[in-house]
Amino acid sequence: DAGITQSPRHKVTETGTPVTLRCHQTENHRYMYWYRQDPGHGLRLIHYSYGVKDTDKGEVSDGYSVSRSKTEDFLLTLESATSSQTSVYFCAITGLQGGEQYFGPGTRLTVT
Amino acid sequence: GQQLNQSPQSMFIQEGEDVSMNCTSSSIFNTWLWYKQEPGEGPVLLIALYKAGELTSNGRLTAQFGITRKDSFLNISASIPSDVGIYFCAGQLNTGTASKLTFGTGTRLQVTL
Repeated sequence: DAGITQSPRHKVTETGTPVTLRCHQTENHRYMYWYRQDPGHGLRLIHYSYGVKDTDKGEVSDGYSVSRSKTEDFLLTLESATSSQTSVYFCAITGLQGGEQYFGPGTRLTVT
Repeated sequence: GQQLNQSPQSMFIQEGEDVSMNCTSSSIFNTWLWYKQEPGEGPVLLIALYKAGELTSNGRLTAQFGITRKDSFLNISASIPSDVGIYFCAGQLNTGTASKLTFGTGTRLQVTL
């Protein structure tokens, strides 16, 4: 158990509405990541953070923003949700070795 | 974005059989990771490999970091029903930083009694 929780675990929202997903870690790790997982595409990095208020884009960052005001929380925001953002979203942290990543349980988001 | 080539895509085996899957890349990596994912859950780290040529075991699981740093394999011995799931490899070039993982396409394992 890597001490990572995600909320909500499931969400259905309408196109055009804003959505915020939360990742919370109890391990005090510096690095946190947001991924999306889709059939045929595997896991793809959206954004990551290397410290409080320090974030950077991943390979599929369009349409997403992130914020990290505290070490333990990393928020992913869809400013105006689209159907193409229907996916399962995973948060991850880097472990003590510096190479491995540990994943949260995921949030299933459906945009109708 | 880049994905690692993972094979086979799926496997149907009988309980008690050994399983082998591998992952190849056109790029070198400093770290290879193997994950298992079950329905409705996040990927769970099984084995992490940090040195070329390294062979590491975790119970019935054994993984190796290829000498060329462009491949890795995972073996499962004496499979049991709870081994069912999707197995992902992941490569990472930089360690100690907010480095990014490149994931394989996954191997779906089904175990029959």
